[in-house]
Amino acid sequence: GAVVSQHPSWVICKSGTSVKIECRSLDFQATTMFWYRQFPKQSLMLMATSNEGSKATYEQGVEKDKFLINHASLTLSTLTVTSAHPEDSSFYICSAQGWVWGDRGRNEKLFFGSGTQLSVL
Amino acid sequence: QKEVEQNSGPLSVPEGAIASLNCTYSDRGSQSFFWYRQYSGKSPELIMSIYSNGDKEDGRFTAQLNKASQYVSLLIRDSQPSDSATYLCAVLYLYNFNKFYFGSGTKLNVKP
Repeated sequence: GAVVSQHPSWVICKSGTSVKIECRSLDFQATTMFWYRQFPKQSLMLMATSNEGSKATYEQGVEKDKFLINHASLTLSTLTVTSAHPEDSSFYICSAQGWVWGDRGRNEKLFFGSGTQLSVL
Repeated sequence: QKEVEQNSGPLSVPEGAIASLNCTYSDRGSQSFFWYRQYSGKSPELIMSIYSNGDKEDGRFTAQLNKASQYVSLLIRDSQPSDSATYLCAVLYLYNFNKFYFGSGTKLNVKP
């Protein structure tokens, strides 16, 4: 299956610093990339949707100035958590949507990165 | 109304039994349906996709789609403790900017 690479897998940072998380689709072009966060034992929460070359669309309640998303190419999107605070500690997951060849020809699918566990001290 | 609904569970089944996970969706315009599995502390992984009415089998997994009734299900035969995870149902709406909608997930516990 298609691969989405997400780095780093975990990061510990001091309060007030910024953290950048990178998401790459390795063997397909992602028409759209999504960023989620997930707290322990809770559901995925969609934070924002981004398309290459355009501004990200943020979900209600997500601060766009705090969570900066850059989608520079069809294979790369980054999420920067600016001035991180302990309440930002969470599991951040990216996903990439694109057309992938399979047993039924070409179909649109969604694949997830491996996630980034952010701990802000 | 949520676009995709799942029972949050937990669903408990004994090892070797069939686990049945269900999902309903609200938009008849949806065309593609997916099941993801998420282990605790890990990101979701795609395990099945189904596009037309009927059954699709892949190993111990069978996805069932009924567009008239707007539900999609996942059957896991010979359930193993390693199948214990949260299963997410996802629907792709091709008429809404090709957007994926996820259910909240059903937690499955397979007891040895």
